[in-house]
Amino acid sequence: EIVMTQSPATLSVSPGERATLSCRASQSVSSNLVWYQQKPGQAPRLLIYGASTRATGIPARFSGSGSGTEFTLTISSLQSEDFAVYYCQQSNNWLPLTFGGGTKVEIK
Amino acid sequence: QVQLQESGPGLVKPSETLSLTCTVSGGSFSGYFWSWIRQPPGKGLEYIGYIYYSGSTNYNPSLKSRVTISVDTSKNQFSLKLSSVTAADTAVYYCARDLSIAARPVGFDPWGQGTLVTVSS
Repeated sequence: EIVMTQSPATLSVSPGERATLSCRASQSVSSNLVWYQQKPGQAPRLLIYGASTRATGIPARFSGSGSGTEFTLTISSLQSEDFAVYYCQQSNNWLPLTFGGGTKVEIK
Repeated sequence: QVQLQESGPGLVKPSETLSLTCTVSGGSFSGYFWSWIRQPPGKGLEYIGYIYYSGSTNYNPSLKSRVTISVDTSKNQFSLKLSSVTAADTAVYYCARDLSIAARPVGFDPWGQGTLVTVSS
């Protein structure tokens, strides 16, 4: 099983500032990395797939980068609606698909 | 626009079988991988497994001995059964579609709203 590790667990950021979230895989997943946003009481929302491709309707302030075992999600200028929990997931291997533990982005 | 909706009992007794159904509307059922994912209260996400529209399945090894996912293409539905449940199976259960390409996973979109299942006597 590929273990996904996200850091930090909590990120305190002021509105308008940049947020940088990290995700590490226990073995290479190539560019098969997905990012989701989850707000309280809601299902996760697909943000990024293929490590860097924004899903339909996702604002350009969200960008993903990385390959192999190290990945980054950057939110260039945090808006009020961006405060949420973010999860990464490896999509390299169905057996099984695995998620990181999440990073909570909170208002500083 | 494809929409998914979970349905089923919100309370299951320990040692019994949890049963949920996901109904897909607003789009094609064929050609996609349909999955179940769960999230214990206040915790992270756990992949349970998928069923391809044709009926082939893939289960998380950690749950494989207790999980069955089935499909009813005539109703655009797929279902989850999890046997011998314990309190550790208490979670919000989500159904979702994977945007797979050439049978490789890509990412889950869309998701159902989720349904909380509590295991308690």
